[in-house]
Amino acid sequence: GEDVEQSLFLSVREGDSSVINCTYTDSSSTYLYWYKQEPGAGLQLLTYIFSNMDMKQDQRLTVLLNKKDKHLSLRIADTQTGDSAIYFCAESTNTGNQFYFGTGTSLTVIP
Amino acid sequence: DAGVTQSPTHLIKTRGQQVTLRCSPKSGHDTVSWYQQALGQGPQFIFQYYEEEERQRGNFPDRFSGHQFPNYSSELNVNALLLGDSALYLCASSIMDRRSQPQHFGDGTRLSIL
Repeated sequence: GEDVEQSLFLSVREGDSSVINCTYTDSSSTYLYWYKQEPGAGLQLLTYIFSNMDMKQDQRLTVLLNKKDKHLSLRIADTQTGDSAIYFCAESTNTGNQFYFGTGTSLTVIP
Repeated sequence: DAGVTQSPTHLIKTRGQQVTLRCSPKSGHDTVSWYQQALGQGPQFIFQYYEEEERQRGNFPDRFSGHQFPNYSSELNVNALLLGDSALYLCASSIMDRRSQPQHFGDGTRLSIL
């Protein structure tokens, strides 16, 4: 079955870059996503990448995909205190719109 | 343009009771998926509805059932509630067969079982 793994915690200083990593097992994944969840809230879509791409940049966010190693990363430039949240990576497969989520990485930004 | 809306926001039930949660999808979306998010975990897929039928189902017992209405809104029903059903229930909407369109999530319903 599909298995998506993330490290649990990351702590960075305000103004530094954050890199959140994710590995997945399903080689038929078509799209990979990053979502942000703040306390008591739902999931906010940040960005996503098609599996035939290796990089996507959107303002402060850069997504890197290594399909050979099934490794996805999210880089947040100039991290701010408002970026403190839990970040989930998710994959969807050719079989439909079912998403498989990782356990989430809790990002803490230190002022 | 309204996003995904869920009701109620919070709910408290006791073991053995039944509950119904509601979801209205984002405008233009025709597919609704439901997820259960236990504390400290990632969302787990329950099932997905399209054209008023359950299209895919995750590893959840038959106590979990759903419905989709002609206006694409959806309900999640859980019978014979257990303490372990306490979680945040998230609804997500999308457009079927457009995999470039990601799922958009509501803020969820926090269900607590006493």
